[in-house]
Amino acid sequence: EAGVAQSPRYKIIEKRQSVAFWCNPISGHATLYWYQQILGQGPKLLIQFQNNGVVDDSQLPKDRFSAERLKGVDSTLKIQPAKLEDSAVYLCASSLSGLAGPRITDTQYFGPGTRLTVL
Amino acid sequence: AQKITQTQPGMFVQEKEAVTLDCTYDTSDPSYGLFWYKQPSSGEMIFLIYQGSYDQQNATEGRYSLNFQKARKSANLVISASQLGDSAMYFCAMRESRGTDKLIFGTGTRLQVFP
Repeated sequence: EAGVAQSPRYKIIEKRQSVAFWCNPISGHATLYWYQQILGQGPKLLIQFQNNGVVDDSQLPKDRFSAERLKGVDSTLKIQPAKLEDSAVYLCASSLSGLAGPRITDTQYFGPGTRLTVL
Repeated sequence: AQKITQTQPGMFVQEKEAVTLDCTYDTSDPSYGLFWYKQPSSGEMIFLIYQGSYDQQNATEGRYSLNFQKARKSANLVISASQLGDSAMYFCAMRESRGTDKLIFGTGTRLQVFP
């Protein structure tokens, strides 16, 4: 079974530029998550999709970050314009979930991440 | 507010020895799940083991076991027979049953296994 795919693996941009990350979850996984992991910290949830609907985007800086999951499969996370403090690893994860939504036992499987450096 | 605490920023262990990585949590939700992930230098978060708050027995997965002490709100990861490939960051995470199901992560423990 193929895992969660992400691209690119690395990206270096200058502040005020735009950047986009792509994620393809495990086949059949209804729930998709984007996490931000700043160096020395644990991952922090940015946004969660259930199929193609947003479940939680309370920690997404909406003035500069946006995300979409068209057709309920792959997803794109965009930053526009980037700031220095956006330098981090952006992790995508997916979980199987039931018809009623994620269950407490659902394991989240992570992709390899995209390491973003903003200069 | 839910919170995960990992008090060991770094741990050293000799190959073939056992090591315990500490994790304490704080929640008022009676139903919750606890997870451990491994993050090697490549960056990917690898799921290791899960413990539910109502599980009667401590979870085990191969060389990994979880020492779950509900009254103390601790969920320590035990790695037996350490291998050089176990060197990585280890994160404890929790999910509550109410609200959204996001994982809340601790700050992690860096484990280094030496020969």
